[in-house]
Amino acid sequence: LAKTTQPISMDSYEGQEVNITCSHNNIATNDYITWYQQFPSQGPRFIIQGYKTKVTNEVASLFIPADRKSSTLSLPRVSLSDTAVYYCLVGVRYQDAGNMLTFGGGTRLMVKP
Amino acid sequence: GAGVSQTPSNKVTEKGKYVELRCDPISGHTALYWYRQSLGQGPEFLIYFQGTGAADDSGLPNDRFFAVRPEGSVSTLKIQRTERGDSAVYLCASSQLADTDTQYFGPGTRLTVL
Repeated sequence: LAKTTQPISMDSYEGQEVNITCSHNNIATNDYITWYQQFPSQGPRFIIQGYKTKVTNEVASLFIPADRKSSTLSLPRVSLSDTAVYYCLVGVRYQDAGNMLTFGGGTRLMVKP
Repeated sequence: GAGVSQTPSNKVTEKGKYVELRCDPISGHTALYWYRQSLGQGPEFLIYFQGTGAADDSGLPNDRFFAVRPEGSVSTLKIQRTERGDSAVYLCASSQLADTDTQYFGPGTRLTVL
């Protein structure tokens, strides 16, 4: 599985756009990029997944350059409730033999008023 | 709808004791996963079930850890002769493997071994 590197922590203020970049230099051809969010005392929650270019949903956008060696999770106009740990994961999307997720250390986002 | 539930939410036990942690997956989800999360770390994979069988138990740290899913729904993670190093949050996740790899996590059980 491709290893990921992301900042340990980030600070932001309410209303700002937050961009968290993840490096995955040895991503494989059939690997997808997935982001999870985890609040204190809760399990991780799926945010977004993509393979290339740009993906957008009601929560976030995911930007993936052509070489796919990195990706950027973009959170528009964050609020205090977006304070959480964000994990970047790389792996195969559909995997008959199982689909265990490999989490790194994540990025701790602190949104301040 | 109902999500993944785990019981108990907190468990405090003494070193050497036996504990069982329960997971109720989302109804109809065929795949079930157990992860362990230590303080300040991301979750680490323990074991994966497809139906009733353990398809991959490569993440179990040693033979004190065992998990079952006898009817293909509820799963129990069992830890024998607990050690202080077993203290962590144990997370369960389920997914509808046929359609998507999105895993839905429960709130976890915080295990403290004194």
